[in-house]
Amino acid sequence: QVQLVESGGAMVKPGGSLRLSCAASGFSFSGFYMSWIRQAPGKGLEWISSISGDSGDVYYAESLKGRLTISRDNTRQSLFLHLSSLRAEDTAVYYCARADCGGDCPYDFWGQGTLVSVSS
Amino acid sequence: QSVLTQPPSVSGAPGQTVTISCTGSSSNIGAGYEVHWYQQLPGAAPKLLISEFSNRPSGVPDRFSGSKSGTSASLAITGLQAEDEADYYCQSYDSGLIGWVFGGGTKLTVL
Repeated sequence: QVQLVESGGAMVKPGGSLRLSCAASGFSFSGFYMSWIRQAPGKGLEWISSISGDSGDVYYAESLKGRLTISRDNTRQSLFLHLSSLRAEDTAVYYCARADCGGDCPYDFWGQGTLVSVSS
Repeated sequence: QSVLTQPPSVSGAPGQTVTISCTGSSSNIGAGYEVHWYQQLPGAAPKLLISEFSNRPSGVPDRFSGSKSGTSASLAITGLQAEDEADYYCQSYDSGLIGWVFGGGTKLTVL
């Protein structure tokens, strides 16, 4: 069955950086767009980045551009997100999710999330 | 401030019908992009509830239905059950932002 398992969340100081991972299994990973979506404590969902199956198309939320790098390794069925210059407002649960395509396709499977906490 | 606007909360008694609205603009819902709905139970990850492509994923009861008109979309839940108590989010694509957008979420309380 489809599984997405995030890891790498931690407590970091402001200005620090972090690399999140998402291990995928149960489907042909290279055939799907993958995305990162975050949820601050008590808040709603916020899309932050997406990458196509062949890594040829990459998208970032405008508010976070310059501080994020999304990447994937299809041979390891893994998705990554590097976050830098972290701020308190980046504190959130970070979810990875898959979609059949870019544009109109829904996120049909989500991981359980990994918590990033930014605090001095 | 979310790009897609949802009411913060709705409520209804068991067996009743509730509707959750999702209002967008000409660069997302109004541009014809699909609207999808997610359910997030307390303490859990979001789950796809309604997709305009395939409608309801396997296991989602037909008490849940979606519709769209102009720059808005709606999620209807009929025959409310206690297990429906959750947060609900709409989601679409925005051509102006060149990215994906969510509504702010609606908390459904079953009285």
